[in-house]
Amino acid sequence: SQQGEEDPQALSIQEGENATMNCSYKTSINNLQWYRQNSGRGLVHLILIRSNEREKHSGRLRVTLDTSKKSSSLLITASRAADTASYFCATLIGSARQLTFGSGTQLTVLP
Amino acid sequence: GAVVSQHPSRVICKSGTSVKIECRSLDFQATTMFWYRQFPKQSLMLMATSNEGSKATYEQGVEKDKFLINHASLTLSTLTVTSAHPEDSSFYICSARVSQETQYFGPGTRLLVL
Repeated sequence: SQQGEEDPQALSIQEGENATMNCSYKTSINNLQWYRQNSGRGLVHLILIRSNEREKHSGRLRVTLDTSKKSSSLLITASRAADTASYFCATLIGSARQLTFGSGTQLTVLP
Repeated sequence: GAVVSQHPSRVICKSGTSVKIECRSLDFQATTMFWYRQFPKQSLMLMATSNEGSKATYEQGVEKDKFLINHASLTLSTLTVTSAHPEDSSFYICSARVSQETQYFGPGTRLLVL
């Protein structure tokens, strides 16, 4: 079963605008990860934020984590058409350290 | 960075046939690999955890006799879809665990069962 939900399910913006995606999860976590998936392709790891961190940056990506609300957000600044993809949050659960994915946000950046 | 490959990238087969998908870690050893299934416009759903040298652990609702997993070496896990039916058509993705926190994903295999 999925760990959580993401919203919005789909987001369409103009190139240069910022895109914000939100993720909520259900159980306690050690870390939360964000992945990107281009259509029909595998997943690319973007960023990992640990439970004792509140914010993390990587290039044009900014991730926040609020463990009290069990939620995270991914901000992509100055978006580009090449950022068009699906974005998933994921948490590690279980003794086998399995990744459980959120429902995903389909981002479309219009040139 | 670490690379995981999958073969084939896409396969079309007739209903009732079996299909084998390979997942390889190209430049590292992985004692644990994972198999996911993804239907169109949906998220990845974990099917099973593949452990080198031991039986795979299947998620609830995944038929172990239908989805055979073999992890015979530290760099190769295979998923065989036995007696495939149209409802098995999906995108199958594997990942290999490199650390407690990190997995690297293969590019996926698109299966179409006619």
